[in-house]
Amino acid sequence: EDQVTQSPEALRLQEGESSSLNCSYTVSGLRGLFWYRQDPGKGPEFLFTLYSAGEEKEKERLKATLTKKESFLHITAPKPEDSATYLCAVQGTNAGKSTFGDGTTLTVKP
Amino acid sequence: EAGVAQSPRYKIIEKRQSVAFWCNPISGHATLYWYQQILGQGPKLLIQFQNNGVVDDSQLPKDRFSAERLKGVDSTLKIQPAKLEDSAVYLCASSLRTGTGELFFGEGSRLTVL
Repeated sequence: EDQVTQSPEALRLQEGESSSLNCSYTVSGLRGLFWYRQDPGKGPEFLFTLYSAGEEKEKERLKATLTKKESFLHITAPKPEDSATYLCAVQGTNAGKSTFGDGTTLTVKP
Repeated sequence: EAGVAQSPRYKIIEKRQSVAFWCNPISGHATLYWYQQILGQGPKLLIQFQNNGVVDDSQLPKDRFSAERLKGVDSTLKIQPAKLEDSAVYLCASSLRTGTGELFFGEGSRLTVL
């Protein structure tokens, strides 16, 4: 069974203070690893797909990286509008469904 | 492009009552998903449709939950009878096809069971 563990559960940063979120996963054959952003009262919004170890994707202040066992979401010089819950999901080659972690709630203070 | 539409946004019921949620996916998306998200947790897949056929319903509590996607477009998720532990947000998502991980989610239907 596919498993995803995200850490930390919550992260509080000052504006401009860079940090990273971790997503550890167990899957039999990785088809893809996905990052989503979820704002309070909203559904998750797709950010990135990573397919293989060594791959990186960037979008504004966010950069996602992937190894064989984990993925990191690096946030550079965050702003208050980056405050949200960030969800990681994996899809194995044996299943057509995505398994989600419980997310990291990021709060960026001005 | 219109997003995934869900209704109602909020519903409060007593335990043992029934409730139904509706979802209209993005036009042209063949795959539709219902997820349950309990407060503080990630979404958990309940059921996945490819057009109007069920692909995966292994996590659906079939004694009380049912779902259908007639005509391969919109879908309804029903809970009968509801239990206290069913309090959650029910998220509908769609994708172009099965196997793609880029899911487009609706805003969800928040259920409170008293």
